[in-house]
Amino acid sequence: RKEVEQDPGPFNVPEGATVAFNCTYSNSASQSFFWYRQDCRKEPKLLMSVYSSGNEDGRFTAQLNRASQYISLLIRDSKLSDSATYLCVVNEGFQKLVFGTGTRLLVSP
Amino acid sequence: EAQVTQNPRYLITVTGKKLTVTCSQNMNHEYMSWYRQDPGLGLRQIYYSMNVEVTDKGDVPEGYKVSRKEKRNFPLILESPSPNQTSLYFCASSGIGGGPQHFGDGTRLSIL
Repeated sequence: RKEVEQDPGPFNVPEGATVAFNCTYSNSASQSFFWYRQDCRKEPKLLMSVYSSGNEDGRFTAQLNRASQYISLLIRDSKLSDSATYLCVVNEGFQKLVFGTGTRLLVSP
Repeated sequence: EAQVTQNPRYLITVTGKKLTVTCSQNMNHEYMSWYRQDPGLGLRQIYYSMNVEVTDKGDVPEGYKVSRKEKRNFPLILESPSPNQTSLYFCASSGIGGGPQHFGDGTRLSIL
């Protein structure tokens, strides 16, 4: 079983749609969680950290469910510029980051 | 500007010819790490360093070496590169407090 699992997609959505990604992790001792965005073979960039209480940044909402060991990302009012691969990242402690393979999002006009 | 700088960005070389990929950060971060990214496998950690002169193996260290003589630099060394090390490599750094990592622009290596 992979340590961090994501649906690879692609998720094809029209502009303005709401789309949600989920990610599951296997290490119950994981300490912190992030969503990164990666554009076509460029470096991953932090989108947002994920907090236990859930957090929102503009059109993006992240949630963490420790009991079920999953993390979610919700994107509202999708823009063409949101097209990218979204990486779920889990910090298992001592800065050991484990990356999911990513979920690809394609937003069309 | 806070950044992680990798060089070279692209390199095509031949099997067995030693190469070094440099990584430098200007954020005074304690933690630095090297990853490789391959299709369908995501990013996998090669080596990491918690501070100067402290390095440890990640998930895929075979065929690689690193050193951390200064806080800002963390070079990745391939003593005898082989074709299975053809990949996209990223260096990253962060502070020690468990926060997110900052990535360099990546180095695309092709070993023929």
